[in-house]
Amino acid sequence: AQSVSQHNHHVILSEAASLELGCNYSYGGTVNLFWYVQYPGQHLQLLLKYFSGDPLVKGIKGFEAEFIKSKFSFNLRKPSVQWSDTAEYFCAVKWDYKLSFGAGTTVTVRA
Amino acid sequence: DTAVSQTPKYLVTQMGNDKSIKCEQNLGHDTMYWYKQDSKKFLKIMFSYNNKELIINETVPNRFSPKSPDKAHLNLHINSLELGDSAVYFCASSPASGGSLEQFFGPGTRLTVL
Repeated sequence: AQSVSQHNHHVILSEAASLELGCNYSYGGTVNLFWYVQYPGQHLQLLLKYFSGDPLVKGIKGFEAEFIKSKFSFNLRKPSVQWSDTAEYFCAVKWDYKLSFGAGTTVTVRA
Repeated sequence: DTAVSQTPKYLVTQMGNDKSIKCEQNLGHDTMYWYKQDSKKFLKIMFSYNNKELIINETVPNRFSPKSPDKAHLNLHINSLELGDSAVYFCASSPASGGSLEQFFGPGTRLTVL
């Protein structure tokens, strides 16, 4: 069965530190890849997505992600985080009609 | 200008009761979804409807029954509620069911079963 793995359960870092969140998926066919963010008490919002073309994708709020097909990975990065980036981050992979989510990574940014 | 709305936002009820959660989208999308987010924040698809037709039905107890009166609405009815049904339920919509199309999520309904 297809699966999505996020390597880090909880990441704690200071403002201005760099962030990288890992995401791997198990399906070898054509996929569409997403990163969603859920701020405390809010609904999920799309940060960025990849479906074809340049494997380095830029999203909102300074986030970017790189699709590496050979590694089945879609890691999220931000060079310098802010306190307001404290949130839950979800990697999601779409194949056929279904969007499957990873377990999420809680990111806590300390001022 | 709410894109995907859900009611109620909070729902507290006793075991054994029957309850419904409503979802509406004003984006003109064809496809709608229900997800369950458990206490560990894990999100799992439950159902998907495309133009009022069921296209995804994951392994969900048949106490859960989605109903789509029109393509802008997808309601979730739950019979005989159990403690394990406590979770946050998110509705979402997308322009269509396939491809790279983004899903837009509602604010969630936090269901607590006592």
